[in-house]
Amino acid sequence: EAQVTQNPRYLITVTGKKLTVTCSQNMNHEYMSWYRQDPGLGLRQIYYSMNVEVTDKGDVPEGYKVSRKEKRNFPLILESPSPNQTSLYFCASSLAESVNEQFFGPGTRLTVL
Amino acid sequence: DQQVKQNSPSLSVQEGRISILNCDYTNSMFDYFLWYKKYPAEGPTFLISISSIKDKNEDGRFTVFLNKSAKHLSLHIVPSQPGDSAVYFCAASGGATNKLIFGTGTLLAVQP
Repeated sequence: EAQVTQNPRYLITVTGKKLTVTCSQNMNHEYMSWYRQDPGLGLRQIYYSMNVEVTDKGDVPEGYKVSRKEKRNFPLILESPSPNQTSLYFCASSLAESVNEQFFGPGTRLTVL
Repeated sequence: DQQVKQNSPSLSVQEGRISILNCDYTNSMFDYFLWYKKYPAEGPTFLISISSIKDKNEDGRFTVFLNKSAKHLSLHIVPSQPGDSAVYFCAASGGATNKLIFGTGTLLAVQP
């Protein structure tokens, strides 16, 4: 089954404790992206990647890191999480020539205390 | 600055009636527009799109209308069904970026 998977689905952590949210897709997509969804703000892009070893900042990259060492994986790293990073996070992927029609993962609910 | 706006946070309609969801944008460089649908505890899924060279695109019960002069698009669902109850996000892209810009979403509730 073609899908984007994220782990964990739910995470409660404390300020400053490094964490990684994994994202994997099995559709051989070149393009991958991370979004956060917050009430009243919709979906905002954090980082995206057009292909292996090619990453770029989205609209809200502060406090986040990403890497793209393999085509299928695009982990999101929070080196020192803060409460304002409490949010619902989505990973998405698409073919490079159709980045408009992205396939989204099920989401990761992160709470930073 | 919110480049894509959905001014109605929620909408309630009766089953069988028409649902109209609205979206406004400010960036004249946008040339492709989409609607995504999101159920609780799931990621958004692509629903329908329209290029700026068109003013209407239809797919079954779903039709998207684009008014470029007003920088406005709308999604019509006819007839509405209870399974259509979800959050609908409008999104736009264009110019030199490879980014989708999303609106804030509208929660549609279709009452049986």
